[in-house]
Amino acid sequence: DAKTTQPNSMESNEEEPVHLPCNHSTISGTDYIHWYRQLPSQGPEYVIHGLTSNVNNRMASLAIAEDRKSSTLILHRATLRDAAVYYCIRLNYGGSQGNLIFGKGTKLSVKP
Amino acid sequence: NAGVTQTPKFQVLKTGQSMTLQCAQDMNHEYMSWYRQDPGMGLRLIHYSVGAGITDQGEVPNGYNVSRSTTEDFPLRLLSAAPSQTSVYFCASSYLGQGYEQYFGPGTRLTVT
Repeated sequence: DAKTTQPNSMESNEEEPVHLPCNHSTISGTDYIHWYRQLPSQGPEYVIHGLTSNVNNRMASLAIAEDRKSSTLILHRATLRDAAVYYCIRLNYGGSQGNLIFGKGTKLSVKP
Repeated sequence: NAGVTQTPKFQVLKTGQSMTLQCAQDMNHEYMSWYRQDPGMGLRLIHYSVGAGITDQGEVPNGYNVSRSTTEDFPLRLLSAAPSQTSVYFCASSYLGQGYEQYFGPGTRLTVT
């Protein structure tokens, strides 16, 4: 049970921003939100994570709703290399190492 | 750093054969794990380890064994291969604790006939 809900697929044009939504309505106060992506024929790679406030890094931004029941991964300028499956994952460390539980993710297509 | 390495890249087995998938990391990570990914699906956790000598089961452990004798290596053993174990297998590692990203290997594509 991935406990997150994402659209199956999305399309974007190259060099435009992309907003990938994720619902996690049953999230607990100590659950982190992690995003990973998987390029074709590769292993997943880490994108970003956060707990309560918005986060930015060199790859993307993560906007977390005030009630934490949803979040949005923002790619500021999509490139062809960003075409991948994006996974939104709730992670509760619970005093020990948390394990990633993957759902089916969102397949992002980027058109030139 | 080589990161997380997996061997072999491809393997074909006959039903009933056994084999070991190798995983190694050179980042001194305490946490290591094995996932399988079936076509069109997300990854499912098989086994994981939080340090040498410590292993635990994930979502789909049946038919697989693991051991962790060193920090660097985390082999996955298929005891008696079945066609249902045809999948792509990924190994991952990270530091222990909150917020550390997991690094994934390139995967091993296994076909059981």
